[in-house]
Amino acid sequence: LAKTTQPISMDSYEGQEVNITCSHNNIATNDYITWYQQFPSQGPRFIIQGYKTKVTNEVASLFIPADRKSSTLSLPRVSLSDTAVYYCLVGALSGSARQLTFGSGTQLTVLP
Amino acid sequence: EPEVTQTPSHQVTQMGQEVILRCVPISNHLYFYWYRQILGQKVEFLVSFYNNEISEKSEIFDDQFSVERPDGSNFTLKIRSTKLEDSAMYFCASSERGQTSGNTIYFGEGSWLTVV
Repeated sequence: LAKTTQPISMDSYEGQEVNITCSHNNIATNDYITWYQQFPSQGPRFIIQGYKTKVTNEVASLFIPADRKSSTLSLPRVSLSDTAVYYCLVGALSGSARQLTFGSGTQLTVLP
Repeated sequence: EPEVTQTPSHQVTQMGQEVILRCVPISNHLYFYWYRQILGQKVEFLVSFYNNEISEKSEIFDDQFSVERPDGSNFTLKIRSTKLEDSAMYFCASSERGQTSGNTIYFGEGSWLTVV
């Protein structure tokens, strides 16, 4: 599984756009990129997933450059409730079961 | 939105006792997982389960752990003889078998196990 590197922490203010970048230099051809959000004492919550270019859903956008060696999670207009740990995971999604390896994630703190 | 449900939300047990953590995966999912997170540490993979057998397991998942799908809806994690270091939040997760698109794994809210 590809190793990922994220900033340990980020601060932002309410209403701002937040971009969290993840490096995954040894991503494999079959690997997808998935981002999760985790609040204290809760399970990781799926945010977004992509393979290449740009993916957008109702909560976030995911930007993946052509070489796929990094990805950026973009959260538009964050609020205090977006304070959480954000994890970038990379792994193959073949038909067999897979292991997801969680790193330390990025602690996002949204300030008033 | 369908979700993975887990019981109990919190359990306190004495060292050496057996514990069973229960999970109801999302109904049309075929792959099931257990993860754990020790307080302040990373989420760690324990085991994955498909077609009524273990697909993969980590080095954490030793002989004291076992998983079972006793009926069509429940998925359980049994810890045979708990140790203090088993104290953690245990997350159940499930996923569909996706071939042409991302195979998203959905997590439950966790069962917090405290071994005293």
